[in-house]
Amino acid sequence: KQEVTQIPAALSVPEGENLVLNCSFTDSAIYNLQWFRQDPGKGLTSLLLIQSSQREQTSGRLNASLDKSSGRSTLYIAASQPGDSATYLCAVIPTGNQFYFGTGTSLTVIP
Amino acid sequence: KAGVTQTPRYLIKTRGQQVTLSCSPISGHRSVSWYQQTPGQGLQFLFEYFSETQRNKGNFPGRFSGRQFSNSRSEMNVSTLELGDSALYLCASSQTAGADTQYFGPGTRLTVL
Repeated sequence: KQEVTQIPAALSVPEGENLVLNCSFTDSAIYNLQWFRQDPGKGLTSLLLIQSSQREQTSGRLNASLDKSSGRSTLYIAASQPGDSATYLCAVIPTGNQFYFGTGTSLTVIP
Repeated sequence: KAGVTQTPRYLIKTRGQQVTLSCSPISGHRSVSWYQQTPGQGLQFLFEYFSETQRNKGNFPGRFSGRQFSNSRSEMNVSTLELGDSALYLCASSQTAGADTQYFGPGTRLTVL
């Protein structure tokens, strides 16, 4: 069974700092990996989707990388802002199957 | 284009009752997945429906069931509610089945007393 771990569980940074969130998974036979953010009491918002043949994806201040061989993905957030405060979740998808979610990283950006 | 909608947004039930939650996917999306989110277990996959057929099912007891209608709207039902069923239930839709990008609704907060 696929196990997905996110470290750290919580992170607090001052506004303007660059930061990296980590996601590791146990089975490298994945179809793709997706990063989401979740605001308190809300649903999930898709940030980036990386297909297994890709190494990274970028959207604005966000950059996600994928290393299947080592079972790792990172989400890089540049020039963090208070509005980035949320819980960030990664999800891996085995070939044609369900999503397996990590436990999330709770990010607080201090003004 | 309207997003994924879920009704109701909040529910309070007592143990032993049953509950039905509804999800309307984004127009044109044919796949609907359901997840349970709790502080202790995180996000766990319940089931996925595509074209009215259940494609995948997570590791949940038979008290949890679902269905999908011809217009892609989906319902999930939980019978004989237990305290541990208190959770945020999230629905996600995608254009195709499997590993396509999923778009989530706001969730239904179920509290079992």
